[in-house]
Amino acid sequence: DAGVIQSPRHEVTEMGQEVTLRCKPISGHNSLFWYRQTMMRGLELLIYFNNNVPIDDSGMPEDRFSAKMPNASFSTLKIQPSEPRDSAVYFCASSLKGANVLTFGAGSRLTVL
Amino acid sequence: DAKTTQPNSMESNEEEPVHLPCNHSTISGTDYIHWYRQLPSQGPEYVIHGLTSNVNNRMASLAIAEDRKSSTLILHRATLRDAAVYYCILRAANQAGTALIFGKGTTLSVSS
Repeated sequence: DAGVIQSPRHEVTEMGQEVTLRCKPISGHNSLFWYRQTMMRGLELLIYFNNNVPIDDSGMPEDRFSAKMPNASFSTLKIQPSEPRDSAVYFCASSLKGANVLTFGAGSRLTVL
Repeated sequence: DAKTTQPNSMESNEEEPVHLPCNHSTISGTDYIHWYRQLPSQGPEYVIHGLTSNVNNRMASLAIAEDRKSSTLILHRATLRDAAVYYCILRAANQAGTALIFGKGTTLSVSS
């Protein structure tokens, strides 16, 4: 099992540019979660999906952020336009719906200059 | 999710047991106690969870107070690799499959 796969691992971009982060959940998992981690705010839930349907997006900071899950094996988190305050590590996690254990990816470190 | 309280940091020596406390005085009867840890530059990883009875697995033990208002994660012999942030999280049984809400956790330092 390759685990939850995130790409890119590191991204450096300039303010105003579009950023797309990608996540491949564990095969068979039907819940997917996006988190953001900063020193100031810790680990924050952004959005999560069950069976490809967004269930709770109350953590998405603003309209510049959007997330999609077009199929069970792929999700994207897009920031457009990016701002320096979006600099953080973004984690994707997956689980079986109804299960107690979340499995996290290694994260995507985003730096917006 | 009910609130948990953990010390900001703890220190341990290698090969000694570590007891990481978590207070959750407002826990409800259906809340499971979950522990995750985050090693440096990695995503959080599951450690253990329980409801009422003490639990053991290959990574750690979870001791739950009889009134369930507190719990303790026990690492039986700390290694340098156990240096991490440890998160104690409550989640109701009917919320299994929903997102976990992380607090600040306890930063564990292990010295050789």
